[in-house]
Amino acid sequence: EIVLTQSPATLSLSPGERATLSCRASQSVDTYVAWFQQKPGLAPRLLIYDASNRATNTPARFTGSGSGTDFTLTISSLEPEDFAVYYCQQRSGWPPAVTFGGGTKIEIK
Amino acid sequence: QVQLQESGPGLVKPSGTLSLTCTVSGDSISSVNWWTWVRQAPVKGLEWIGETYHSGSPNYNPSLKSRVTISVDKSKNQFSLRLTSVTAADTAIYYCARDSRTGMDYWGRGIRVTVSS
Repeated sequence: EIVLTQSPATLSLSPGERATLSCRASQSVDTYVAWFQQKPGLAPRLLIYDASNRATNTPARFTGSGSGTDFTLTISSLEPEDFAVYYCQQRSGWPPAVTFGGGTKIEIK
Repeated sequence: QVQLQESGPGLVKPSGTLSLTCTVSGDSISSVNWWTWVRQAPVKGLEWIGETYHSGSPNYNPSLKSRVTISVDKSKNQFSLRLTSVTAADTAIYYCARDSRTGMDYWGRGIRVTVSS
């Protein structure tokens, strides 16, 4: 099973600051990585797919990058609504298997 | 607009079977998508349970494979989850989702299931 390790577990930042979230895979997943945002009491929301493609309605301040084993989600300037938990997810192998990272919480400093 | 809605019992007894259904609207269950179940234990992260295609051919999380069945009912545009021999560790919010070529783009609101006697 491919393990995704997210870091840091928590980011304490202020609105307007830049956020950089990391996701590392235990083996190469090519670019089959997605990023989700989850707010309390709500279902996850897809932000990025295939490592760097914004999903419909994802603001331009969200940028995904990486390939192989190292991936990054960058939020260029945090808005108040961006404080949430973010998960990376990969889909690879045969038969296909999906795993999620443990999550990074962005909290207000 | 694509919508997914989970339904089923919110309380299951230990050693019993958890059965949930996801009703899809705004898309056909026979479309080119994987239909997926994900769960989230209290104050925990997301765990993929498994997925199915409209033709069957399910894929399961290896850690749950011996207890899970995901199936499709094309006539009702639904897919279902069956998890046997449940324990308290299976207490979670269960989500159904559509996994298209561009990711898990539509999710249900989730249904809270508690395993308790």
